[in-house]
Amino acid sequence: DAGVIQSPRHEVTEMGQEVTLRCKPISGHDYLFWYRQTMMRGLELLIYFNNNVPIDDSGMPEDRFSAKMPNASFSTLKIQPSEPRDSAVYFCASTSGGVGANVLTFGAGSRLTVL
Amino acid sequence: KQEVTQIPAALSVPEGENLVLNCSFTDSAIYNLQWFRQDPGKGLTSLLLIQSSQREQTSGRLNASLDKSSGRSTLYIAASQPGDSATYLCAVTNAGGTSYGKLTFGQGTILTVHP
Repeated sequence: DAGVIQSPRHEVTEMGQEVTLRCKPISGHDYLFWYRQTMMRGLELLIYFNNNVPIDDSGMPEDRFSAKMPNASFSTLKIQPSEPRDSAVYFCASTSGGVGANVLTFGAGSRLTVL
Repeated sequence: KQEVTQIPAALSVPEGENLVLNCSFTDSAIYNLQWFRQDPGKGLTSLLLIQSSQREQTSGRLNASLDKSSGRSTLYIAASQPGDSATYLCAVTNAGGTSYGKLTFGQGTILTVHP
């Protein structure tokens, strides 16, 4: 398996623009997580899905952020409109076997810079 | 709310030394604890996962221990090598309350092993 695949790896955009980050989890994994990493706040969980259904989105910073998982092999995280404070590395991760049962596998991340 | 703290924040050692990284967490209601490695500009790689019922896990030169009742874990690295230089992150999967299923990360320990 190629692991968790994220795109784009780097994104530079201007304030106010829409940003869409994409994730393909490992085949067979039924849990998918979106994390954000900044120097100030470290790694924060934004939202997670189980069997394509959002389970907990309490970490989503505000209404400008939305996430979808239309099928078991694809998820998106959208920011609209983007702001400079959204600049961070966004990670997607997946696992299977129930919460806490197995190792979480992370993608390489999408580095977002909002000017 | 679960809080994870890692000490020290940074560590620099000569090659060959044995070293210990520390992690503490405030809520003992956890499913497991994981240690991750993060190289600059890269994603996270899981090193060891300890279930809440276990006391330790070993992989090669790495040994991780867990004392759930006291909220502590240590990562022991034997005979350190320059290739071990990275940021090491500790994370717990919460089992209770509103944090159920969430992975809470520490801020990490930046390790530098010099030749």
